[in-house]
Amino acid sequence: NAGVTQTPKFQVLKTGQSMTLQCAQDMNHNSMYWYRQDPGMGLRLIYYSASEGTTDKGEVPNGYNVSRLNKREFSLRLESAAPSQTSVYFCASREAPPLAGEETQYFGPGTRLLVL
Amino acid sequence: EDKVVQSPLSLVVHEGDTVTLNCSYEVTNFRSLLWYKQEKKAPTFLFMLTSSGIEKKSGRLSSILDKKELFSILNITATQTGDSAIYLCAAHGGATNKLIFGTGTLLAVQP
Repeated sequence: NAGVTQTPKFQVLKTGQSMTLQCAQDMNHNSMYWYRQDPGMGLRLIYYSASEGTTDKGEVPNGYNVSRLNKREFSLRLESAAPSQTSVYFCASREAPPLAGEETQYFGPGTRLLVL
Repeated sequence: EDKVVQSPLSLVVHEGDTVTLNCSYEVTNFRSLLWYKQEKKAPTFLFMLTSSGIEKKSGRLSSILDKKELFSILNITATQTGDSAIYLCAAHGGATNKLIFGTGTLLAVQP
């Protein structure tokens, strides 16, 4: 039981390049989330997926797209990377869908992205 | 606008000290408040609080919620160097029914 896994751990991109961050969970959770964490800004929600087949925008979705490939996997894509997207990206999952009582989210180890 | 504010931003203490971390929130449709500890990598879950005045405890850590005054505190007694981390507070609710995070409190425990 690995929990939430993310790949890659580190990535350096040039402005304008594209890449996909991968996230997978083996806890059979319904909901999955992508956050970015920047100094002084805390964790900010980019996109989330309440259940397989659905995705919704979070607080800071511009410049990103997501795909909920199946119940296990939720990927985040940067189509044309910008220096402002330099950040640490965390994926998280949660068993229950939104509006349920339990809101504990389990986080992956993070992906450090540097855009030059 | 929904927001979560944590204080202090950073704190340096010595081993054995007791610390209190604060979290205030203004969140519509508030449902619960969560505390996480973040060391080098991902945040790890500590507590979830939904009811006022009921203390949750785990070893040397404890937390309580005041839904009238809209704040929560996280107490750590007899601190150890392993307690050094960023402590994140998050409120579940808001217009989009999500977790809204504070910026965290950086705690450094010196030997």
